[in-house]
Amino acid sequence: GENVEQHPSTLSVQEGDSAVIKCTYSDSASNYFPWYKQELGKRPQLIIDIRSNVGEKKDQRIAVTLNKTAKHFSLHITETQPEDSAVYFCAAIDSGTYKYIFGTGTRLKVLA
Amino acid sequence: KAGVTQTPRYLIKTRGQQVTLSCSPISGHRSVSWYQQTPGQGLQFLFEYFSETQRNKGNFPGRFSGRQFSNSRSEMNVSTLELGDSALYLCASSPGQGGNEQYFGPGTRLTVT
Repeated sequence: GENVEQHPSTLSVQEGDSAVIKCTYSDSASNYFPWYKQELGKRPQLIIDIRSNVGEKKDQRIAVTLNKTAKHFSLHITETQPEDSAVYFCAAIDSGTYKYIFGTGTRLKVLA
Repeated sequence: KAGVTQTPRYLIKTRGQQVTLSCSPISGHRSVSWYQQTPGQGLQFLFEYFSETQRNKGNFPGRFSGRQFSNSRSEMNVSTLELGDSALYLCASSPGQGGNEQYFGPGTRLTVT
């Protein structure tokens, strides 16, 4: 079945530095890849997504890249700020089943 | 549009009891998915309903069940509660067809004593 691996599980960066979180998926039928941010005690929030017909997407300080050949996609956060501290989840969606498969999450800590 | 809502927000039950959780999706969304989240764990997929039919199912025992009504509202039921069922239960809605964006509700925190 579909599997999504996410790395690293924890990541600490200094404020102002960049952070990169990587995910690998197994099902080549996956065609939609969202990223969610979950702050402590809050619900996961969709922060950016990318579809399989696009290689990169940016939204201010965050960007997502997709390599369909290698079946991996990454979240890039530039100029990190303390409020970026949260758990980030990636997901892959099978266009046929509409089933979301989530990665195990990355706890990002931005040190002031 | 109003966001995804879940009731109740907090619940305390004892082992052996059963519980029903409710989720109201974003207006116009026809798909509702349920997830279990425990401390330190990710989002474990329970099941997904679309147009009153279970379309996808995760690897949870039969004690976990759900349903969806004609207005797309969904309920999740857990029977014969176990201590290990203590978790945050999140539901998420999406259009279900065409668009794939999924939006989460605030969750129901279930504690089993």
